[in-house]
Amino acid sequence: GAVVSQHPSRVICKSGTSVKIECRSLDFQATTMFWYRQFPKKSLMLMATSNEGSKATYEQGVEKDKFLINHASLTLSTLTVTSAHPEDSSFYICSASGLNTGELFFGEGSRLTVL
Amino acid sequence: KQEVTQIPAALSVPEGENLVLNCSFTDSAIYNLQWFRQDPGKGLTSLLLIQSSQREQTSGRLNASLDKSSGRSTLYIAASQPGDSATYLCAVKNTGNQFYFGTGTSLTVIP
Repeated sequence: GAVVSQHPSRVICKSGTSVKIECRSLDFQATTMFWYRQFPKKSLMLMATSNEGSKATYEQGVEKDKFLINHASLTLSTLTVTSAHPEDSSFYICSASGLNTGELFFGEGSRLTVL
Repeated sequence: KQEVTQIPAALSVPEGENLVLNCSFTDSAIYNLQWFRQDPGKGLTSLLLIQSSQREQTSGRLNASLDKSSGRSTLYIAASQPGDSATYLCAVKNTGNQFYFGTGTSLTVIP
C-alpha cells in the first residue's frame, strides 16, 4: 500500500516553544491530509482537514492560531504547535488520501511531550 | 451526520479461535469502508478497503464484508494469533471527502 511518513516520532520540548511535525506522502499525491489528536485509550479526534494549496478547515474547538497547519505541496503537510503547554502533550497522527480508491493512509504518529 | 459504531469495545479470545468484529453505520450513502489496525503508540495500518459496490474483501486470514443497505460491516479473523492483538477500527468515507471512525474494538488473543 501507499506510504505516509510522519516525523518526528517523538519530541520533547519546553513550555512556550513551538514544535513542527511533518507528514509526507512518499509514493502518491495527497490531495487531502488530515490531522488527528489521540488521548490514551481513546479514539482519534479530528483536528483539521487540509487540501493542497488552500487553508485548512479546523474542527470546532480546535484553535487555529495554536495549531498551524500548512499543506504547501501534494506530498507534504505540517502541523506546528505554537507556544506549547503541558496540556498539548499528546499523540498526533496524520493521514492522507488522494488515490482514486479513496483509501486513507496514516503516518506513524508523533508523541509530543511538553515539559 | 454519519455515526459509526463498533461492537464489542473489547474482546479476548484464546489463540486459534475464529472471531468477528462488527461495525455499523447510520448513513448508507458511503463511498467506501476501510478497516484499520492500531498497535499501542503507533499509527493506523490499513487492513482492507471495501468500495461501496463490493460485498467483501479478503487478505490472508482476514475477510471483511459489507452490507450497505443494512449499514453493517464485519471483519472476520481466522485462526487468531497473539500477534493479532491490537485495536481494530473501521472508517466510512462519504461521497465528499470526510471519514467517520468507529471507536474501535480492542482485541486480545491469549496464547
